[in-house]
Amino acid sequence: GQNIDQPTEMTATEGAIVQINCTYQTSGFNGLFWYQQHAGEAPTFLSYNVLDGLEEKGRFSSFLSRSKGYSYLLLKELQMKDSASYLCAATSGTYKYIFGTGTRLKVLA
Amino acid sequence: EPEVTQTPSHQVTQMGQEVILRCVPISNHLYFYWYRQILGQKVEFLVSFYNNEISEKSEIFDDQFSVERPDGSNFTLKIRSTKLEDSAMYFCASRTDSLYGYTFGSGTRLTVV
Repeated sequence: GQNIDQPTEMTATEGAIVQINCTYQTSGFNGLFWYQQHAGEAPTFLSYNVLDGLEEKGRFSSFLSRSKGYSYLLLKELQMKDSASYLCAATSGTYKYIFGTGTRLKVLA
Repeated sequence: EPEVTQTPSHQVTQMGQEVILRCVPISNHLYFYWYRQILGQKVEFLVSFYNNEISEKSEIFDDQFSVERPDGSNFTLKIRSTKLEDSAMYFCASRTDSLYGYTFGSGTRLTVV
């Protein structure tokens, strides 16, 4: 089957670092993507991994271990505007996304 | 920055009516997708479209659904006879040939009453 697991909610403080974990089981895996979604809005692309290792993109980094079916998104120097849902998505087949339920991140002052 | 445009932003329809949701993907993109998100739930894949035909569809995408690219710029999703459970946010997305992330449109909120 196809399954993506990520925590439902996380809370962190402004200026801190937070790591959002994601585990996946999908057939025909192509890559792992992270999206940010504010309530009532479209997902916006943050980062992706096809090969094992860390991809860094400004304040956001994403890590993938294909053998473990595991990824994480690291957010540094948290800002209030980072309060949002973070969606983990594995791609397979025609690069369709299998999304997790999303992790709702609250950033506190 | 190029955008995927969806219209309308909100649509309220009576159960059993047909609706057409419209999308204008980014002009040099080749692959097109529809996803939906029922309130409070995860984003779900409906259908992918490439080279003027469906390349993959989910079990949600039954005979009540169809997609079309009528004129080389618009990409539409039609629901023939809407049900209450079709109420959701529908997102269109497109991408180029590379494995870079999609661009999603801002969505159409469909409410079936």
